[in-house]
Amino acid sequence: DAGITQSPRHKVTETGTPVTLRCHQTENHRYMYWYRQDPGHGLRLIHYSYGVKDTDKGEVSDGYSVSRSKTEDFLLTLESATSSQTSVYFCAISETVNTWGTGELFFGEGSRLTVL
Amino acid sequence: GESVGLHLPTLSVQEGDNSIINCAYSNSASDYFIWYKQESGKGPQFIIDIRSNMDKRQGQRVTVLLNKTVKHLSLQIAATQPGDSAVYFCAEKILGNYQLIWGAGTKLIIKP
Repeated sequence: DAGITQSPRHKVTETGTPVTLRCHQTENHRYMYWYRQDPGHGLRLIHYSYGVKDTDKGEVSDGYSVSRSKTEDFLLTLESATSSQTSVYFCAISETVNTWGTGELFFGEGSRLTVL
Repeated sequence: GESVGLHLPTLSVQEGDNSIINCAYSNSASDYFIWYKQESGKGPQFIIDIRSNMDKRQGQRVTVLLNKTVKHLSLQIAATQPGDSAVYFCAEKILGNYQLIWGAGTKLIIKP
């Protein structure tokens, strides 16, 4: 299994509070991603990173920010959580990106966030 | 493709039979397709991929078929086992964009 650790694995918070989810990898992969998974929607990309301090938005980035200060860590922050951000969040990594896409993505175990 | 419902399509298959999971993709400009398997409580795992210049690709016990004429993708699992129980996702990549667009998933249930 790819060395990807997400923390916390479960969190319950209240509307308006800040939340930070952490993804830590031991694979030294360049590319890291944050997805959210909701019933009926599959996986939707929030933000991704293509190197230290290099990040970009995905399709559902509103209300989220990210930071990558080290190769191994990718943080997802909800500045002011809302109930619509209740979801399961997955971190993923990939070694390369080329014409054919990201190649194989390796996923963490997920972080379940509930915003009351 | 995108889903419109909260309930996953479900496929029930007898153990030992072959399974066929279908996926209709949304964009004729998609040039790469991939299947992932997600077991309960875990992150998705890569199964097999196929490029748009291919019609068929085989892996270990799995085959992916691509029909670009009708924008249809299928995953065939041979001799289905209890460990194949999971949600299966197809994803597509549009030419010029390396991000994946994920389908809503299909739940595969294996009957003993």
